[in-house]
Amino acid sequence: NAGVIQTPRHKVTGKGQEATLWCEPISGHSAVFWYRQTIVQGLEFLTYFRNQAPIDDSGMPKERFSAQMPNQSHSTLKIQSTQPQDSAVYLCASSLGALSYEQYFGPGTRLTVL
Amino acid sequence: GQQVQQSPASLVLQEGENAELQCNFSSTATQLQWFYQSPGGSLVSLLSNPSGTKHTGRLTSTTVTKERRSSLHISSSQTTDSGTYLCAIDERSNYNVLYFGSGTKLTVEP
Repeated sequence: NAGVIQTPRHKVTGKGQEATLWCEPISGHSAVFWYRQTIVQGLEFLTYFRNQAPIDDSGMPKERFSAQMPNQSHSTLKIQSTQPQDSAVYLCASSLGALSYEQYFGPGTRLTVL
Repeated sequence: GQQVQQSPASLVLQEGENAELQCNFSSTATQLQWFYQSPGGSLVSLLSNPSGTKHTGRLTSTTVTKERRSSLHISSSQTTDSGTYLCAIDERSNYNVLYFGSGTKLTVEP
């Protein structure tokens, strides 16, 4: 079991550019979560999917951020017109869902917006 | 959302000493996980313990749900235990989303 896979591990963008982050959940896991970690705010929930359907995006900034899960093997988080305050480590996690709510995290993508 | 407080914020021990980390939360929870994060590293799930006492290796977690608190005891600490320990809890109204504390930074000196 490879665990949750996230790519790229590091991404540097210029202000105003777009960033797309990828997550491959653990095979067989039905729930996928996105979190963001910064020194100031700590770990914050962004959004999650269950069986590929969006369930809760209450943590997502309303503008510029979007997430999708086109199939059970990957999810993407897209940030349009990136700003320096978007710089953070973006973490993806997955869980079995109803069978077990324990979440397993990927290594994260460190996004730096210059 | 759920408010999660961890204490102490930092802890320095000598190798072989025991550590006691605390986590308090504001509302009823159905899921509680303790995570370890090395500097610049990913989150590793240590224990899932929403109630009662659970052991794994040198780790013991005790959660008293009614009192909205959990502890993580690390026995015979080792230098490799150094890192940040995070407590994460869900909320009954949204029992899939985890809310994280700010963590306890543990340093174990040789």
